[in-house]
Amino acid sequence: RKEVEQDPGPFNVPEGATVAFNCTYSNSASQSFFWYRQDCRKEPKLLMSVYSSGNEDGRFTAQLNRASQYISLLIRDSKLSDSATYLCVVTLSGGYQKVTFGTGTKLQVIP
Amino acid sequence: DGGITQSPKYLFRKEGQNVTLSCEQNLNHDAMYWYRQDPGQGLRLIYYSQIVNDFQKGDIAEGYSVSREKKESFPLTVTSAQKNPTAFYLCASSLGTGMANEQFFGPGTRLTVL
Repeated sequence: RKEVEQDPGPFNVPEGATVAFNCTYSNSASQSFFWYRQDCRKEPKLLMSVYSSGNEDGRFTAQLNRASQYISLLIRDSKLSDSATYLCVVTLSGGYQKVTFGTGTKLQVIP
Repeated sequence: DGGITQSPKYLFRKEGQNVTLSCEQNLNHDAMYWYRQDPGQGLRLIYYSQIVNDFQKGDIAEGYSVSREKKESFPLTVTSAQKNPTAFYLCASSLGTGMANEQFFGPGTRLTVL
C-alpha cells in the first residue's frame, strides 16, 4: 500500500459546483497534513494546513479523519481558476519530519 | 521580496555531463530540500539539509550531490551517474524540519538530457 494515495482524476466539474477530494495515508503515526495546489508546469504552493478540528478558508474546507486515516478537501462554488492539481502532503515526526507527497488529483472546472 | 529562486528555468545537457542546479532563498529558513517530479508521480526527495554544512540523503540520492556552505544556498549537482536525469527539479525550504513546518517551493528547473 502506498504511503499516501490520491485519486488522480481528472475531476471535471462545472463552474459553481462543489467538489471534494480525499487522500488516504497508511501510517497512523502521521502528524501533520497539508494541501498544496500545483498549476501545470509550475511549483506546488501551499493551499492550507489541515487541523484535527477541521478548518475553512473561504470556499475551501479541509478535514482530517484519523480513525479512517484520510484527509479531505472540499471546494465550494468552483471557479475556472481552481483548475489545477491538488497535492496531499503527510508528515511524520522525528528528528527529520518525513514528508510524503501524494501524486495529486487533477481538477478541471468547466465553463 | 522574500522567496526562493532557482536557475536556470530550462536546462539541456548532453549525456555524460555533470550539471549544477542553483537554489537560493532569502527567507532565513534553516531547512532546504531538493525534489524531482516525473509525470504522473509525486515529488520524490533527493537530498535535504537541516542546517549549514549538514545534509542528508533522501529517497533517491544516487547520482546526485549537494552542498550547503551558506544558509541561503543549496545547489544540486546531477552527475553522469544518474541514469534517468530528465525531470522537473524543485527546491524547497522551511523554517526547520519540525512538525507543521510547511515547505515553500522555488519555480523549478526542467532538465532535459539529450
